[in-house]
Amino acid sequence: QQQVRQSPQSLTVWEGETAILNCSYENSAFDYFPWYQQFPGEGPALLIAIRSVSDKKEDGRFTIFFNKREKKLSLHITDSQPGDSATYFCAASPYTGANTGKLTFGHGTILRVHP
Amino acid sequence: ETAVFQTPNYHVTQVGNEVSFNCKQTLGHDTMYWYKQDSKKLLKIMFSYNNKQLIVNETVPRRFSPQSSDKAHLNLRIKSVEPEDSAVYLCASRTDKNERLFFGHGTKLSVL
Repeated sequence: QQQVRQSPQSLTVWEGETAILNCSYENSAFDYFPWYQQFPGEGPALLIAIRSVSDKKEDGRFTIFFNKREKKLSLHITDSQPGDSATYFCAASPYTGANTGKLTFGHGTILRVHP
Repeated sequence: ETAVFQTPNYHVTQVGNEVSFNCKQTLGHDTMYWYKQDSKKLLKIMFSYNNKQLIVNETVPRRFSPQSSDKAHLNLRIKSVEPEDSAVYLCASRTDKNERLFFGHGTKLSVL
């Protein structure tokens, strides 16, 4: 049972366009939602994250929009650059107080940005 | 800048062999993890460990075992590899004060 779902599986945009990556989840206990970026041959690296008390988080060209009622979130990458070509993982974890950091990952979206 | 180091980068072995992967973090973090990334790129947690507690994902086969000498090192041993163990194994760490995970580059295992 996949608790975090991502769409599309792959996405191709032109340089300068906005890429929109979608994510949905099932577990109402999920509270923390990071997006990780992974380049081939490397491990994932944290890109941006949001907590369920917020509906938007912005960091430069990257913005997360969060809809708690619908259990959906999306990552918007504005002015996409070829260097943004990577796999993007949506992840989620519950607030445990003990901060165990146990993340549930989606399958990822492969983004290709053509120059 | 890499601060979670994994060796080897690649390992090819045959069914039934024992393998061991190493991981070291230089960030002074409290907790370390092993994740498995399958051929479809899905990441699944296998173990989390700090100097107080080992937490095992209940779906992990018993032939997998973590080994730690101190909080900067967490190795992974697979006693008798199976074809389905072919994957990339990613080590990660984090401080207890922050949820951000720092991953290594991974060890790619191929079981023939």
